[in-house]
Amino acid sequence: EVQLLEFGGGLVQPGGSLRLSCVASGFTFSSYAVNWVRQAPGKGLEWVSAISGSGANTFYADSVKGRFTISRDNSKNTLYLQMNSLRGEDTAVYYCAKDRGAAAAGYGMDVWGQGTTVTVS
Amino acid sequence: QSALTQPASVSGSPGQSITISCTGSSSDVGSYNLVSWYQQHPGKAPKLIIYEGTKRPSGVSNRFSGSKSGNTASLTISGLQAEDEAAYYCSSFARSTIPFGGGTKLTVL
Repeated sequence: EVQLLEFGGGLVQPGGSLRLSCVASGFTFSSYAVNWVRQAPGKGLEWVSAISGSGANTFYADSVKGRFTISRDNSKNTLYLQMNSLRGEDTAVYYCAKDRGAAAAGYGMDVWGQGTTVTVS
Repeated sequence: QSALTQPASVSGSPGQSITISCTGSSSDVGSYNLVSWYQQHPGKAPKLIIYEGTKRPSGVSNRFSGSKSGNTASLTISGLQAEDEAAYYCSSFARSTIPFGGGTKLTVL
């Protein structure tokens, strides 16, 4: 079964740091770009960051650029999001989502995790 | 990085058809045939229902269809069913970003 499982959410104070992980199974992880997408309480979806299948190319939303770092370990089928200098507006459910593209993201996110909640307060 | 523009809400009766618009710019929707649509029920993760503007993933009902004209993409749902009541989001490839629309709440009357 194709699956993504996120870990690492929690309560953190403003200015603090948190690292999210997303473990993939059921597909060739290194062949696809992967995204982080968040959803603030009662709000819509916001794309946060993406990384190519090889890990060579990374992309960020302006709202997190310079504070968040996306990375992946293809030997462990795991995606990461290091979040520093956290703010109240970063409070959200964070989803990892497999892209249909390989070298770049934006071709359609066809597999989603269940989400992990980050609360900055 | 501007978000795409969707209507906040639409509604329809069972059996009817509805269309949700998604307006972007020449930097995203207008330049690429890479608009995706997602369905999200309350408390659930989003589900891909349309990719590359018009294509449906395996298992998605053919009642869902996508189209594009200029800088505006559209999602049409025909033969509305109660289970279609959900939030719908569009997104587009845009080189170094992937903007989402603000979402449209579909109510089945």
